[in-house]
Amino acid sequence: QQPVQSPQAVILREGEDAVINCSSSKALYSVHWYRQKHGEAPVFLMILLKGGEQKGHEKISASFNEKKQQSSLYLTASQLSYSGTYFCGTSSGSARQLTFGSGTQLTVLP
Amino acid sequence: DAGVIQSPRHEVTEMGQEVTLRCKPISGHNSLFWYRQTMMRGLELLIYFNNNVPIDDSGMPEDRFSAKMPNASFSTLKIQPSEPRDSAVYFCASSWDGAYGYTFGSGTRLTVV
Repeated sequence: QQPVQSPQAVILREGEDAVINCSSSKALYSVHWYRQKHGEAPVFLMILLKGGEQKGHEKISASFNEKKQQSSLYLTASQLSYSGTYFCGTSSGSARQLTFGSGTQLTVLP
Repeated sequence: DAGVIQSPRHEVTEMGQEVTLRCKPISGHNSLFWYRQTMMRGLELLIYFNNNVPIDDSGMPEDRFSAKMPNASFSTLKIQPSEPRDSAVYFCASSWDGAYGYTFGSGTRLTVV
């Protein structure tokens, strides 16, 4: 089954924070996060493996709660360049192929 | 590295014609994935290869779709015959063992009229 992302869309002002959630009905092995700009390919942001770790680079970080089968992506002090559609992709068990959520459209306004 | 290379970038074809999409993964990556993206259905996995062997083709819509990976540096996705509902952006992605981030190609925008 496809993971469920929320919210579907969010509009921010530059400098504001945002949280995007991803939840699954299946036990997860890994969660990936990608950003896609209009007309371009998805770009890998980070991967979280089962173990509840939190990762981050610069002002974008993520957490993974394997008991709740949920992951959250945190964007702090958002920049105009953060605009795009964010997808979580999940894998379960020994599978390595990802099932992607329907995406969260993030718009950062000046 | 040039990244994942897909061709063609755009393809417009008439219903009933054969369409072949091509992909060159990143050298050293042993996992290759074909995804289709539409507004209605989002990013759907079509097929997954590991070490050139198809592992999961459950997402291939029907017999009109076929995919091959004859060697580690080349894969094709073929649609025969094509139908208007096949219109979408087709992405190829590669990864090391699928356990690391995927690198997506630029995609092929297919329009079937």
